[in-house]
Amino acid sequence: AQSVTQLDSQVPVFEEAPVELRCNYSSSVSVYLFWYVQYPNQGLQLLLKYLSGSTLVKGINGFEAEFNKSQTSFHLRKPSVHISDTAEYFCAVSENTGGFKTIFGAGTRLFVKA
Amino acid sequence: DSGVTQTPKHLITATGQRVTLRCSPRSGDLSVYWYQQSLDQGLQFLIQYYNGEERAKGNILERFSAQQFPDLHSELNLSSLELGDSALYFCASSPVFSGELFFGEGSRLTVL
Repeated sequence: AQSVTQLDSQVPVFEEAPVELRCNYSSSVSVYLFWYVQYPNQGLQLLLKYLSGSTLVKGINGFEAEFNKSQTSFHLRKPSVHISDTAEYFCAVSENTGGFKTIFGAGTRLFVKA
Repeated sequence: DSGVTQTPKHLITATGQRVTLRCSPRSGDLSVYWYQQSLDQGLQFLIQYYNGEERAKGNILERFSAQQFPDLHSELNLSSLELGDSALYFCASSPVFSGELFFGEGSRLTVL
């Protein structure tokens, strides 16, 4: 069974600074990888996804992530954050085992300070 | 707006009661997923349906059940409610088997 570990529960950062949110996963089969963002009192929305191909994937709002198969990681990065990026970020892994059971990490709270 | 509609948005009930949460997926999406989000458990996968059939099951209690109807809407039934069932319940839908999920805004259940 797959699992996802988000290594930081909270990441405080100053506005315009770069940020990296770390995610490691484990699975015995090929997986699809995702990052979702959740703003207060809202549902989750997809930031970016890795299905196959290039290991560097770009998403919305200037975010990107790199799939590293040997390290089983899928870290999320942004070169310069804004106050509006303050939210909860979830890494997710999905295995195709007849049905797509997508498992989420515990989440990382990104807090951008002025 | 993800296109996934969940009702009700808020629900307050008492222990021992039964509630039904409803979800309408995005137009064209055949897969529906249910998740429970709580502070102590995080986002837990409950169950997935594809075109009316159960396809994957997660940490869903026996007191909980779900189904997907021919018009593709889904209902999550929670019975014999306990205080610990208080949580945000999300429905999501996805196009074919891509794993990419589109979430509704959730139904917040409070059990008193």
